[in-house]
Amino acid sequence: EVQLVESGGGLVKPGGSLRLSCAASGFTFSSYSMTWVRQAPGKGLEWLSSITSRNSDSSYADSIRGRFTISRDNIQSSLSLQMNSLRAEDTAIYYCARENDAGNYYFDYWGRGILVSVSS
Amino acid sequence: SSELTQDPAVSVALGQTVRISCQGDRLRMYYASWYQQKPGQAPLLVIYGQNRRPSGIPDRFSGSDSGNTASLTITGAQAEDEADYYCSSRDSSGDLYVFGPGTKVTVL
Repeated sequence: EVQLVESGGGLVKPGGSLRLSCAASGFTFSSYSMTWVRQAPGKGLEWLSSITSRNSDSSYADSIRGRFTISRDNIQSSLSLQMNSLRAEDTAIYYCARENDAGNYYFDYWGRGILVSVSS
Repeated sequence: SSELTQDPAVSVALGQTVRISCQGDRLRMYYASWYQQKPGQAPLLVIYGQNRRPSGIPDRFSGSDSGNTASLTITGAQAEDEADYYCSSRDSSGDLYVFGPGTKVTVL
C-alpha cells in the first residue's frame, strides 16, 4: 500500500524557517518524481514544486522560488521542503504527492497533509 | 503565468448527471487530471490522461477533452460525490503544473 506521511509542520514567525518531510513507503520511491502542493485556509490547491526521479531536477512556482528548496533522499525514501523567509501568506496545509510524468501528468497518491502556520 | 478556469459551483439532483468544465490554453497540449476533495481530506485523483480512472474510482466518473476544454462528468451523482473538484495540467512551458480554482459540487 502506497503511503505518504508528512511531518515537520507547526507555528513559525514571519521570516522564519521550517523543514517539511514526507516519508514514502509501499512503492519504489526512486522511480517516481515527487511534488509538494499546498492549500491555504478556505482556498484552492496550489502546486509548489516538483523533483524528478532520474536526476533530481527541480521546478518551482513563482510564489516560492528562491525561498523554498525541494530535495529527496532515495535511500531513505523521503522528500523534503526547506522553507525560508516564511510569510503569513505561506500559511497552509502542505501535501506531498507522488507524480506521474511519463506522458500523462498527474498526482496519483497524496499524503494527509501537514499544517504550517506563519504568524507573530 | 497562464491559468485554468472552472465554474465556482454547480448543483445536481441525486441520480442525475453533472458536467464540470476546465478551460485553458495548455489543455490543447496536455490532458487534464481531476481531483476530488472532501472537507478535511486530501485530494483524490479521479480522472487522468484520456479518460482513465484509477483503481477504485466508480465508473460514473468520466473525462473528456475538446480543444482548450476538459470536462469531468458524473453520471448518476451520489450523495458522496458532493465535494470540491479541481483540474490540473502542465504549464505551457512543460515544466510546471497549475491547478484550476476548483468547482464545488452540491448534490441535492
